[in-house]
Amino acid sequence: SAVISQKPSRDICQRGTSLTIQCQVDSQVTMMFWYRQQPGQSLTLIATANQGSEATYESGFVIDKFPISRPNLTFSTLTVSNMSPEDSSIYLCSVEVQGLEKLFFGSGTQLSVL
Amino acid sequence: SQKIEQNSEALNIQEGKTATLTCNYTNYSPAYLQWYRQDPGRGPVFLLLIRENEKEKRKERLKVTFDTTLKQSLFHITASQPADSATYLCALTPTSGTYKYIFGTGTRLKVLA
Repeated sequence: SAVISQKPSRDICQRGTSLTIQCQVDSQVTMMFWYRQQPGQSLTLIATANQGSEATYESGFVIDKFPISRPNLTFSTLTVSNMSPEDSSIYLCSVEVQGLEKLFFGSGTQLSVL
Repeated sequence: SQKIEQNSEALNIQEGKTATLTCNYTNYSPAYLQWYRQDPGRGPVFLLLIRENEKEKRKERLKVTFDTTLKQSLFHITASQPADSATYLCALTPTSGTYKYIFGTGTRLKVLA
């Protein structure tokens, strides 16, 4: 299994600013993902965080808006840049442990942009 | 277009009854399908996985069925308890294309005491 610590758990931010979300895993994992969950909506994959290389972004998400770092196999950050109220959402870090066909999730970051 | 659909309306049932949640998909060929539970303010927690060649999977009071002809999975909670109240998400992983998990919108279950 994997235990994920994600912070901050929530934040209220001003339009035009940026927020960096941190994700720490208690074991080395290959696959690490960032999801967004808007109110009443499904989890949408933003990107796969790749260790030592650029993240792989899904359609509709770009590096300039959501830069991701993954310096090692236990840690990643997601930055939400130049925020607007449309970015208000829950952001979730998740990992897949090799050999286990399931995802483990952090508790999420509830972001509100004013 | 590709879709995964769960009943967006909340499901209210009486304690002790069996809750049945539905997950329908279109234009996917899933390698396997999973069910997760999500409580308010928390990330989803994995419950069960069923593969494309399996019809049914059980774990304690939980049962999942998978019908690839109907393109549907059913998730059952028997002898439901108020503590089972949560949002339940289905997710599938396609057999082809990019390796990823694709989630439905979830169904909120409320078990009434």
